[in-house]
Amino acid sequence: QKEVEQDPGPLSVPEGAIVSLNCTYSNSAFQYFMWYRQYSRKGPELLMYTYSSGNKEDGRFTAQVDKSSKYISLFIRDSQPSDSATYLCAMSRWTGNQFYFGTGTSLTVIP
Amino acid sequence: GAGVSQSPSNKVTEKGKDVELRCDPISGHTALYWYRQSLGQGLEFLIYFQGNSAPDKSGLPSDRFSAERTGGSVSTLTIQRTQQEDSAVYLCASSLSSGGPTQADTQYFGPGTRLTVL
Repeated sequence: QKEVEQDPGPLSVPEGAIVSLNCTYSNSAFQYFMWYRQYSRKGPELLMYTYSSGNKEDGRFTAQVDKSSKYISLFIRDSQPSDSATYLCAMSRWTGNQFYFGTGTSLTVIP
Repeated sequence: GAGVSQSPSNKVTEKGKDVELRCDPISGHTALYWYRQSLGQGLEFLIYFQGNSAPDKSGLPSDRFSAERTGGSVSTLTIQRTQQEDSAVYLCASSLSSGGPTQADTQYFGPGTRLTVL
């Protein structure tokens, strides 16, 4: 079983839709949860960062962590064509420096 | 200043040849990571450098892979006797510090080197 599972998609939505991206994980020691956005032929860039459980909002983006279910989500409101990219979840334990990434979900927002 | 840079951006090589991939981290970043990204496989951790400490090599897939970081800055990932399964995008990331995975340790990624082994 992989440490982090993420549905690869692809996901295609019309402009303005609400997008929900999800990851599940198996290691209860994970404390830090991140979402990265990766445009084609580019390196990933950090989008959202959350520590432990709860919600975090930044503009049109909301990150949600449910540690009891080992489930994290990223919501994108009023999706735009510029949001078209691959979204990767990542997580890490309290100690150690290894980040565990999901396989990424490919998102296309259609104008 | 500039972000993380990697070279070459693309590398095509023949099976059995050695390749060297280069990473220039953000100036002042003490931590440096190498990852491999294959289609449908996500990012696979390879190796991690922190300052002058011994590197964490736990992710290297075989002894054909090695990496060094000279002067705490530039890093080179070397793959000897390349195989077709080595074909992937190799990503480098750096972060400011790494006493632990806090937001201050946000990893900044380079654009990657796309390696194709024929």
